[in-house]
Amino acid sequence: DTGVSQNPRHKITKRGQNVTFRCDPISEHNRLYWYRQTLGQGPEFLTYFQNEAQLEKSRLLSDRFSAERPKGSFSTLEIQRTEQGDSAMYLCASSVSGDNQPQHFGDGTRLSIL
Amino acid sequence: GESVGLHLPTLSVQEGDNSIINCAYSNSASDYFIWYKQESGKGPQFIIDIRSNMDKRQGQRVTVLLNKTVKHLSLQIAATQPGDSAVYFCAEILLTDSWGKLQFGAGTQVVVTP
Repeated sequence: DTGVSQNPRHKITKRGQNVTFRCDPISEHNRLYWYRQTLGQGPEFLTYFQNEAQLEKSRLLSDRFSAERPKGSFSTLEIQRTEQGDSAMYLCASSVSGDNQPQHFGDGTRLSIL
Repeated sequence: GESVGLHLPTLSVQEGDNSIINCAYSNSASDYFIWYKQESGKGPQFIIDIRSNMDKRQGQRVTVLLNKTVKHLSLQIAATQPGDSAVYFCAEILLTDSWGKLQFGAGTQVVVTP
């Protein structure tokens, strides 16, 4: 049983650069979620997809952020013109659709902006 | 050992003792609750969930209690082991939000001492 897979695990980049993260959900899960987590805090919701449709975006997701899930399987999260405040752990989760279905998380991508 | 809400973010418990982690939620419309365990450098790991039409649910060495009258959730860990050392988050899904969005608390750090 493979869980949610995220790549890369760590990303260090200079301010102003663009970065892209990838998430591969559990294969039978049609819902996919992105969260951001800063040190000492709980994860904060960014966006989610049902199949390839992006159904909700948080106000945290500025114009510099874009997420895609073109074929309803893996997803990418891109951050353009990175800023210091973007440093965080970016977590991906997946679930089956329907009421009261738990979300299962990957181990995240830790982004550090120099 | 016992913690109260988010005001005592660290819970120290002796190996073999029972742990009680508490969580207060604010929205009486919340319908579904999940406890996650997060070890350093990893993503949140699903422990147990409970629906609002239940007041107790048991898993392996864990029990979740839900008191809707006072909007309180607790996680009990029996015979705490060193491997239980982690940050524990409660999360809720609000009926007023889409089913995709989990709302996390800030978490409780559990430290198991020999």
